[in-house]
Amino acid sequence: DAGVIQSPRHEVTEMGQEVTLRCKPISGHNSLFWYRQTMMRGLELLIYFNNNVPIDDSGMPEDRFSAKMPNASFSTLKIQPSEPRDSAVYFCASSLGRGRTGELFFGEGSRLTVL
Amino acid sequence: QKEVEQNSGPLSVPEGAIASLNCTYSDRVSQSFFWYRQYSGKSPELIMSIYSNGDKEDGRFTAQLNKASQYVSLLIRDSQPSDSATYLCAVTRGAGNQFYFGTGTSLTVIP
Repeated sequence: DAGVIQSPRHEVTEMGQEVTLRCKPISGHNSLFWYRQTMMRGLELLIYFNNNVPIDDSGMPEDRFSAKMPNASFSTLKIQPSEPRDSAVYFCASSLGRGRTGELFFGEGSRLTVL
Repeated sequence: QKEVEQNSGPLSVPEGAIASLNCTYSDRVSQSFFWYRQYSGKSPELIMSIYSNGDKEDGRFTAQLNKASQYVSLLIRDSQPSDSATYLCAVTRGAGNQFYFGTGTSLTVIP
């Protein structure tokens, strides 16, 4: 299996621009997570999908952030408009599902820099 | 109070020594507990999972769980320079599947 695939790996943009991050989870995994990692705050859970349905988006910082999962093999995280404080590494991860679930598999991350 | 708390370190140990990493969690209904390793510039990777009180050993790694004290630890025996990384503690809780991570402990193994 190719693992969790994220794109782009690096994104540099200017404040106010729209940013779209993409994720393809591992085939057969029915849970998908978006995390943001910074030195100050560590790994923060932004949103979690189960069977393509958003279950918990309480970690989404504000209305500028939105996430979708139109099907089992694709998810997007959008920031509009972007701000310098959004600069971070954004990780997508997938797992097999609920309960005593076991391993969370991470993508390689998308490093976002907002100037 | 954060869901998961770790000492950020940095922790330095000489090669061959035992490294001890600690983690506490706030929610008593937490169900599953994990240790992830993250090398600089890379994504986290799972090294240990533990679900029941007691010890679980896997090679040079031992995870310890004490649910009464809400405490998880990771011991690395015979530490190697390749163990130098940030170690993240994670827990899941409730009926959901959310993984909550600590901020990580930076470990350096000195040759």
